[in-house]
Amino acid sequence: AQSVAQPEDQVNVAEGNPLTVKCTYSVSGNPYLFWYVQYPNRGLQFLLKYITGDNLVKGSYGFEAEFNKSQTSFHLKKPSALVSDSALYFCAVLINTGTASKLTFGTGTRLQVTL
Amino acid sequence: DADVTQTPRNRITKTGKRIMLECSQTKGHDRMYWYRQDPGLGLRLIYYSFDVKDINKGEISDGYSVSRQAQAKFSLSLESAIPNQTALYFCATSEGNYVVDTQYFGPGTRLTVL
Repeated sequence: AQSVAQPEDQVNVAEGNPLTVKCTYSVSGNPYLFWYVQYPNRGLQFLLKYITGDNLVKGSYGFEAEFNKSQTSFHLKKPSALVSDSALYFCAVLINTGTASKLTFGTGTRLQVTL
Repeated sequence: DADVTQTPRNRITKTGKRIMLECSQTKGHDRMYWYRQDPGLGLRLIYYSFDVKDINKGEISDGYSVSRQAQAKFSLSLESAIPNQTALYFCATSEGNYVVDTQYFGPGTRLTVL
């Protein structure tokens, strides 16, 4: 089955330090990968996506993600974390089946950024 | 995202009651989706619709039904609510581009079934 996995339930980072939220995927064929963020009492907001091309994808709020085909990973990164980045982050993969396409989500990683 | 709205935002109901969650969008997208979110499980797809005449079951459709009244409206019904349907429900829309279809989410409805 095609899927994504987020191995960490929670990541703790001090403000100003770099952050990484991990995601690995298992997909046959070319993967289309997404990151979403969910702030408290809010819906999911789209951050970035990888379709093809450059392995480093830049997104909203200073986030970027690195696609690594050999390691089947799509880790989310930010050079300098902010307290306001504290939220729940979801990795997702777009699965194409014939004429349909569906988004399958990981279980989420809670990012906690402290002063 | 203000372009996708959900009503109600919170709902408490009793076992056996029928309830409807509504979703409206002003993005002009053809595709609409209903998900539920449970702690530790991420988001799971309940139903999706690629246009007004196209309704498809997702991975957890049992106990749910949907209605696509118009391009902009997609409703989710629980015919007879049960406690394990207590969850956060999200509606989403997408433009329908086969390769780069990005989904945009509403603010969610928190449903509690007693």
